[in-house]
Amino acid sequence: AQSVSQHNHHVILSEAASLELGCNYSYGGTVNLFWYVQYPGQHLQLLLKYFSGDPLVKGIKGFEAEFIKSKFSFNLRKPSVQWSDTAEYFCAVKETDKLIFGTGTRLQVFP
Amino acid sequence: GAVVSQHPSWVICKSGTSVKIECRSLDFQATTMFWYRQFPKKSLMLMATSNEGSKATYEQGVEKDKFLINHASLTLSTLTVTSAHPEDSSFYICSARELGQGLVYTFGSGTRLTVV
Repeated sequence: AQSVSQHNHHVILSEAASLELGCNYSYGGTVNLFWYVQYPGQHLQLLLKYFSGDPLVKGIKGFEAEFIKSKFSFNLRKPSVQWSDTAEYFCAVKETDKLIFGTGTRLQVFP
Repeated sequence: GAVVSQHPSWVICKSGTSVKIECRSLDFQATTMFWYRQFPKKSLMLMATSNEGSKATYEQGVEKDKFLINHASLTLSTLTVTSAHPEDSSFYICSARELGQGLVYTFGSGTRLTVV
């Protein structure tokens, strides 16, 4: 079965700093990958997803992620974070029809 | 966009009682719904997958007699925690996938269950 690793459990940044959150999945083949964000008290929202084509995926709110097949990775990036990006971020991989999530990364952005 | 409504948002119950959590897809038909449990500082752990009109498929280690899932219509799935115990206290989240939308998963806002 697939598994997802997110190595950064808690990240603290100042506004305007660049962000990169790591995500690795366990085995290859055709994969569908997702990044979700959970703002405090809110439901999970899709930031971006990859299913085929260009390995550099653009998402909402200035986020992007790069699928690197050889590294089994799908890292999330943002060049300049804002205070409003403070949230929990989850990477997920689709296995059959269900999503398998990583443990999440808590991002705190200070003004 | 697609919205999933989950109720209640929080509930406190006594040990030994049962609690029902509802998950409704608004404005779309959800052929498949998923139930997750989220532990503090942990991932969302998939509990079960339910398809409308059929029995739910439970993940390994999830007690199907304790966590009853019903998906009676294309817009409603329910999770009933039976004979709840304090260790069942957790955050439960449902997700729905729209008919014909294979890569679109919409999540409810979750239910905080506290068993005292």
